Amino acid sequence: NAGVMQNPRHLVRRRGQEARLRCSPMKGHSHVYWYRQLPEEGLKFMVYLQKENIIDESGMPKERFSAEFPKEGPSILRIQQVVRGDSAAYFCASSPTDSSGNTIYFGEGSWLTVV
Amino acid sequence: GQNIDQPTEMTATEGAIVQINCTYQTSGFNGLFWYQQHAGEAPTFLSYNVLDGLEEKGRFSSFLSRSKGYSYLLLKELQMKDSASYLCAVDTGTASKLTFGTGTRLQVTL
Repeated sequence: NAGVMQNPRHLVRRRGQEARLRCSPMKGHSHVYWYRQLPEEGLKFMVYLQKENIIDESGMPKERFSAEFPKEGPSILRIQQVVRGDSAAYFCASSPTDSSGNTIYFGEGSWLTVV
Repeated sequence: GQNIDQPTEMTATEGAIVQINCTYQTSGFNGLFWYQQHAGEAPTFLSYNVLDGLEEKGRFSSFLSRSKGYSYLLLKELQMKDSASYLCAVDTGTASKLTFGTGTRLQVTL
């Protein structure tokens, strides 16, 4: 049973370009979460999605960031017009339901470097 | 607001026991998780506590006191491979959204 799959693992973008990060949840998991980890900081919640729905985007910056989880295919975290401050590790996680106590499993992460 | 505190760094000797503390003040509580994260890798699940008391799993144990807003992770018989960051995270009750502390970087030495 494959774990949470993220790609690309490493991405370099110039300022002003777009970054697209993909996440395929574990088999049987319909809930996806995106977290960001800045250097020397803890993981920060960004957005929680179910298929075709954004449930909670309270951690998403108001501009340039968007996320989707279509009926078919992986979840996508999209960052437009990237800036140096977007350089971070972006972790996707999934769980089978949103019931309390369900373990959330993390992917290997996507490391974005903005130059 | 949500506040989770852990020591930034700890050092311990191979074969020893180390306790990593975590205190939290959150608007809701539906359980506390501990994750291990090696540099450049994904956080991996270690333990989950929702009731007061000690949960033991091999060399790792986790304790929770909800009335005190306090948890600790106990690592026994330390090995060099245990050198990693240990993340305390609280499920605040909103659809399994986790609030993380900044992590404790543990260095195991000979």
